[in-house]
Amino acid sequence: DAMVIQNPRYQVTQFGKPVTLSCSQTLNHNVMYWYQQKSSQAPKLLFHYYDKDFNNEADTPDNFQSRRPNTSFCFLDIRSPGLGDAAMYLCATSRAGLAGRTSTDTQYFGPGTRLTVL
Amino acid sequence: AQKVTQAQTEISVVEKEDVTLDCVYETRDTTYYLFWYKQPPSGELVFLIRRNSFDEQNEISGRYSWNFQKSTSSFNFTITASQVVDSAVYFCALNRRVLYNQGGKLIFGQGTELSVKP
Repeated sequence: DAMVIQNPRYQVTQFGKPVTLSCSQTLNHNVMYWYQQKSSQAPKLLFHYYDKDFNNEADTPDNFQSRRPNTSFCFLDIRSPGLGDAAMYLCATSRAGLAGRTSTDTQYFGPGTRLTVL
Repeated sequence: AQKVTQAQTEISVVEKEDVTLDCVYETRDTTYYLFWYKQPPSGELVFLIRRNSFDEQNEISGRYSWNFQKSTSSFNFTITASQVVDSAVYFCALNRRVLYNQGGKLIFGQGTELSVKP
């Protein structure tokens, strides 16, 4: 079955120690997203890739970086995790609509990685 | 400004009761898309439905039904004969207009936590 896969499902890191979360997809979608979701809150978009083009959200801290080496994979790097970065990180994919038009495309989410910072 | 409001933070019902989750949205776009997602305790966001702004027909899928009314900017979700497995957080979302070289961006409501008790 086509799907969005995130590894690991649970990640524990130490304060200040860099950590990388991974996402892969078999849907062949051209857009990949990273969201942060804290307890009892809605998901918050950090950034997304449209093909190889990186689109950062204005309020995403510099501590968060992303890489997309190919269509199928996308990584979230947290350079120096703080206690406030403990959250669920969700990856999603979609197939974007025509340029300049409202995207009709549904975003499909992976199971998430729950990050704990000690 | 684009905004989604889910006024019900928590709802608790007994199994087999019907329950309606409210969603009100704000947008200046004439073309837009509305979504509902389910987030069970495992954390994954599961896509339920997408509705475009030109189609106000109600939709039914098994025990689920959706009522879209542009006149009141509402997109409500009803579960008939609720079951314990319906217990989850439900998010309503609006797809914002995108620019060239960007994927669609979801504007989420704050979510409604539904608890179905046996």
